[in-house]
Amino acid sequence: SAVISQKPSRDICQRGTSLTIQCQVDSQVTMMFWYRQQPGQSLTLIATANQGSEATYESGFVIDKFPISRPNLTFSTLTVSNMSPEDSSIYLCSGRTGNTEAFFGQGTRLTVV
Amino acid sequence: EDQVTQSPEALRLQEGESSSLNCSYTVSGLRGLFWYRQDPGKGPEFLFTLYSAGEEKEKERLKATLTKKESFLHITAPKPEDSATYLCAVQEGGGSEKLVFGKGTKLTVNP
Repeated sequence: SAVISQKPSRDICQRGTSLTIQCQVDSQVTMMFWYRQQPGQSLTLIATANQGSEATYESGFVIDKFPISRPNLTFSTLTVSNMSPEDSSIYLCSGRTGNTEAFFGQGTRLTVV
Repeated sequence: EDQVTQSPEALRLQEGESSSLNCSYTVSGLRGLFWYRQDPGKGPEFLFTLYSAGEEKEKERLKATLTKKESFLHITAPKPEDSATYLCAVQEGGGSEKLVFGKGTKLTVNP
């Protein structure tokens, strides 16, 4: 399967600031997704990143807080805006083509202080 | 109501002690059920995809099976390196491409 490079791998940020996470896939994929994983919990889908159009957000997540870009079929970014300590979590990007398995980046561990 | 429920939440085994993990789902029109392994500090690693009831997949000490309501991940003679969190995810029908994940089973295999 394809490989996703995600960066940064971790960061400590001040509340009120924003962080942009980048994901680069080594081959073209149809779908890209962004997940949040809070400590000891499973993966919660934030949004589907659509190439060339606005992302599709899940209930409880809004574009103003989590703006997403996907300029082409191999790259996407997630920004966590106006951060608060409640945003401390692991953020994961994922890629998928058709009905094949989804594969994941290594995650970004975000701590907001 | 959760669409994907995994049990148990945590499982401790002795090396060589076989067991099974369960994933039950309530989605309609299942298009695929996926098993992943996640090690601490890493992203999930794909293990298996199952598409229809009765299907089975095997890889080393792991075997995944699927019925109309649940899937099992059987671990035969586990080793300490099998310790990880095992996640189950489903893709429901209706054209959605997203996967819905369960909360996982944390497996610890003691030497």
